[in-house]
Amino acid sequence: EDQVTQSPEALRLQEGESSSLNCSYTVSGLRGLFWYRQDPGKGPEFLFTLYSAGEEKEKERLKATLTKKESFLHITAPKPEDSATYLCAVQAGGGNNRLAFGKGNQVVVIP
Amino acid sequence: NAGVMQNPRHLVRRRGQEARLRCSPMKGHSHVYWYRQLPEEGLKFMVYLQKENIIDESGMPKERFSAEFPKEGPSILRIQQVVRGDSAAYFCASSLAQPGRTDTQYFGPGTRLTVL
Repeated sequence: EDQVTQSPEALRLQEGESSSLNCSYTVSGLRGLFWYRQDPGKGPEFLFTLYSAGEEKEKERLKATLTKKESFLHITAPKPEDSATYLCAVQAGGGNNRLAFGKGNQVVVIP
Repeated sequence: NAGVMQNPRHLVRRRGQEARLRCSPMKGHSHVYWYRQLPEEGLKFMVYLQKENIIDESGMPKERFSAEFPKEGPSILRIQQVVRGDSAAYFCASSLAQPGRTDTQYFGPGTRLTVL
């Protein structure tokens, strides 16, 4: 069974204080690893897809990286508007398209 | 708005009633997924549908839950005889599902079901 573990569960950052979120996964044949952002009361918003170890993607203050066992989401010089829950999900090989999600990293950025 | 649409956004039912949740995929998307998010839990896969076909329902409870995606109209997640444990946020996602490519799933705003 595909498993995704995210750490830390919750993180409080001062504005401008860079940090990293971890997503460890176990999957049979990774097709893709996805990062989403979820604000309270809303649906997940797509951020990145990573396909193979060594791949990196960036968007504004966020940078996602991937190894064979884990992914990191680096937040550089965060702002209060970066406060959200960040969700990591994996999609396994084969014909099934379902995503297996972790419980999320809840990030609060204090002004 | 070209995003995934879900309605209603909030639904209150009494125990034993039926709940019907609707999802319209993004324009051009033919694949729909339903996920459930319980309090303090991660999103859990329920079912994957294409038009008029259920592709994978391995995450769906065997009883009381059903899903469809008809040729015309939205996808429907139906919960019969609801119980308090069904209270959760239900999210629909859609994808383009191009053959041979990993496709991104885009999520709707969710339906928050409360069972009294």
